Formats: sequence, structure tokens, C-alpha cells
Amino acid sequence: GAVVSQHPSWVICKSGTSVKIECRSLDFQATTMFWYRQFPKQSLMLMATSNEGSKATYEQGVEKDKFLINHASLTLSTLTVTSAHPEDSSFYICSASEQGLSETQYFGPGTRLLVL
Amino acid sequence: AQSVSQHNHHVILSEAASLELGCNYSYGGTVNLFWYVQYPGQHLQLLLKYFSGDPLVKGIKGFEAEFIKSKFSFNLRKPSVQWSDTAEYFCAVNPYTGTASKLTFGTGTRLQVTL
Repeated sequence: GAVVSQHPSWVICKSGTSVKIECRSLDFQATTMFWYRQFPKQSLMLMATSNEGSKATYEQGVEKDKFLINHASLTLSTLTVTSAHPEDSSFYICSASEQGLSETQYFGPGTRLLVL
Repeated sequence: AQSVSQHNHHVILSEAASLELGCNYSYGGTVNLFWYVQYPGQHLQLLLKYFSGDPLVKGIKGFEAEFIKSKFSFNLRKPSVQWSDTAEYFCAVNPYTGTASKLTFGTGTRLQVTL
């Protein structure tokens, strides 16, 4: 149980375009999902916390207008990187906390974004 | 705000050697503690977690960790490592709130087990 999927697993796009990444909890309902960014050989940095039915909470330094988060249902959160630039190239990982068992986060496989 | 320190950045061990990875955190209140593992090319998987109770917690694949509150530490141990334990290990902490709260990760320790 507690499986989280992400789609796509990797994406290459041109500078200036927008990219949407989906995060789904497959066998549980997730009240809260989190979006992280991981640079090569570094740890995960939290970008934002996404709560179902409400606005996301962004960490300091993360542009909310650039990284749009939508958590429309208890099993799906999306991260849209708007007007992507090469410096946005990274590994984006989501995690989900199960409703009622919310202290543990389960991680998705990540999405590698390359902006040319 | 909480912070997590992992002092060992890269550890190389021979198979059957014992493992201990250090993790210290900084936070003024009650915390939940986690160890996650990331095998090459795979996503983060939960190894073990501590919320309350017995400070010695056992996880999957023979790993265990001990929470020492006075030292703000949560070190990961395994008595005998295997080649398949080669991976990146992350210690993480979040404040105890009873609901989902953000995780703060350490910088990770890369474990390389040689045959």
C-alpha cells in the first residue's frame, strides 16, 4: 500500500513553455501533498505544501506564480512550471500523507525536467 | 525552524561490516524522525520512523535506529551490510503536530558497499 505515482517521469521542453507534473496517490487518499526539488547529489528541498481544496503554502524563496500547484482531489496534485527556463531544470519529487495517518510521507518516483 | 545534520557524506564499507550513520537535529519541540533510502535510479523509500515510545526502532531490511533525546540524535545502524544496501540515506524530521507537516531533510549519506 501507500503508493505514489508521478507523471511524466521525465520531460524535455523549450525555454518559455509550461510543463505540468502530476502526483497521484494510488491506493489511499492524501489530504496533504508536498512538492520537493532535488539538485544532483543534494538533498530534497521543500517547495510547497499542497492541501486538498485550499491554496498551497510556499516555502520562502519559491515563486508561487512560477510554480503553480493545484490539489483538486484527495488523490491528485499538480505542479505546473510556467515559462520554464534552463535554471528550472531539476528533479521534482512529490510526497503524500495518508488521510488519518498523516505523519508519514510516501514519495513518488520523481520527474526529471530538462529545459533547453 | 528545524535543521538536520548528517555528518557522513560518503561511507565505503565491505560486505558484512557494521554500519552506523549519524543524524542530529535541531528543534525546540517534539519531533517525528525518519530515515529514508534512495537506491540508484529509484525513489525514496521509508526505512523506519520514530514518533514516540521505545526509542529503539526497527525498520525494514535489518535496519534500526535509536533516538537519544538528550543528544538530539537518531543514528541509523545495521549489524552486517550487504552489497544491495548501496544507496543514498536521508535522515528527516518534522515537528509533531498530529497532522501532516513539512519534512526537513539532511544532506544525505552515500553508502557504498564493496564485495
